[in-house]
Amino acid sequence: DQQVKQNSPSLSVQEGRISILNCDYTNSMFDYFLWYKKYPAEGPTFLISISSIKDKNEDGRFTVFLNKSAKHLSLHIVPSQPGDSAVYFCAASLNAGNNRKLIWGLGTSLAVNP
Amino acid sequence: DAGITQSPRYKITETGRQVTLMCHQTWSHSYMFWYRQDLGHGLRLIYYSAAADITDKGEVPDGYVVSRSKTENFPLTLESATRSQTSVYFCASIGGAGGYTFGSGTRLTVV
Repeated sequence: DQQVKQNSPSLSVQEGRISILNCDYTNSMFDYFLWYKKYPAEGPTFLISISSIKDKNEDGRFTVFLNKSAKHLSLHIVPSQPGDSAVYFCAASLNAGNNRKLIWGLGTSLAVNP
Repeated sequence: DAGITQSPRYKITETGRQVTLMCHQTWSHSYMFWYRQDLGHGLRLIYYSAAADITDKGEVPDGYVVSRSKTENFPLTLESATRSQTSVYFCASIGGAGGYTFGSGTRLTVV
């Protein structure tokens, strides 16, 4: 049973517009969430994270929002650029990441069109 | 070069053969992980290691063996390769606030 769900396998947006990638989770004990980006033929790279004590974390063009009551988080990319085209994975952890094991979603493939 | 490196990048092997995928990190991170990535399954944890000589099973350990005699190395062995083990394999270690750092992956094809 998938504890971290990314229900949209793919997303296409125009350059300069906002990209919103969504992630839902079922385990209310998760307290740390991360987003990773993956290009073809490369390993995933860390993008941004958020602790469950926060509802928003921002890093440049990337913002992650956490809605604990809905068990939902989203990644906003503004403005979207063609170089953002990649697969984005949502991951969750227990014990603020100290247990060192992440539960991963299946990923959303983002295409940013020039 | 500092980082986490996997070798080989590509491997074709025959069913029944033993094959070892190598993973080396230069940071002395305690935790290391092996994942496989398959279409429709995302990243699935095979084995992980909390330190040298400490390993534990992940979600899909069957058919795989790991060892960690040195902190920097975490090889993954397929004892008798099967076609279902055709996949892309990623090694990762933990360090810093960003969580995992991944290697570039090994694409394994079992024919």
